[in-house]
Amino acid sequence: DAGITQSPRYKITETGRQVTLMCHQTWSHSYMFWYRQDLGHGLRLIYYSAAADITDKGEVPDGYVVSRSKTENFPLTLESATRSQTSVYFCASSGGGLNETFFGPGTRLTVL
Amino acid sequence: GQQVMQIPQYQHVQEGEDFTTYCNSSTTLSNIQWYKQRPGGHPVFLIQLVKSGEVKKQKRLTFQFGEAKKNSSLHITATQTTDVGTYFCAGPTSGTYKYIFGTGTRLKVLA
Repeated sequence: DAGITQSPRYKITETGRQVTLMCHQTWSHSYMFWYRQDLGHGLRLIYYSAAADITDKGEVPDGYVVSRSKTENFPLTLESATRSQTSVYFCASSGGGLNETFFGPGTRLTVL
Repeated sequence: GQQVMQIPQYQHVQEGEDFTTYCNSSTTLSNIQWYKQRPGGHPVFLIQLVKSGEVKKQKRLTFQFGEAKKNSSLHITATQTTDVGTYFCAGPTSGTYKYIFGTGTRLKVLA
């Protein structure tokens, strides 16, 4: 099915563990983004990618790693999860220019 | 760095009343986007404004981009319960496609 999907939708992990959140889009959009959403902070950009193999830091990149070997996938890895990374994570994609941005359904991550 | 603020943070209105949220950027924006997020959902694109002073309407929603391209507003006429949610504005960091989101305005509509 066309669209943007995220997996898992819910994840509980422990402090210090590595966690990878997956994002897949079927539109061949050039741009992809990772945002986190916390109460009182709105949506904050973690990383974004303008194309395969091109990534750049956003507002809050510390503790996160991204890669984009294929246009359609943009995984986000928490190398050593901390409680402060408990949040809802949204992946998004866009064709660029004046095109709209489409958001995935989100992953709710809890770090114990 | 670039900051995008929205006011108010929360707004409760009686159904049928009007509602306005304001978005202010610390820097001039090339364009601004507006999103709506229903409770428990993900942000959904509403509209994009590009030109200075631009006004766009979508049924009961009116969007405006300031003359200096540093502020914007969303006005909803005669709110309905279906308007409940959080409204976000977002603008790109200068010279990039990195969209920074405003803090959002959470709207509750009382029937």
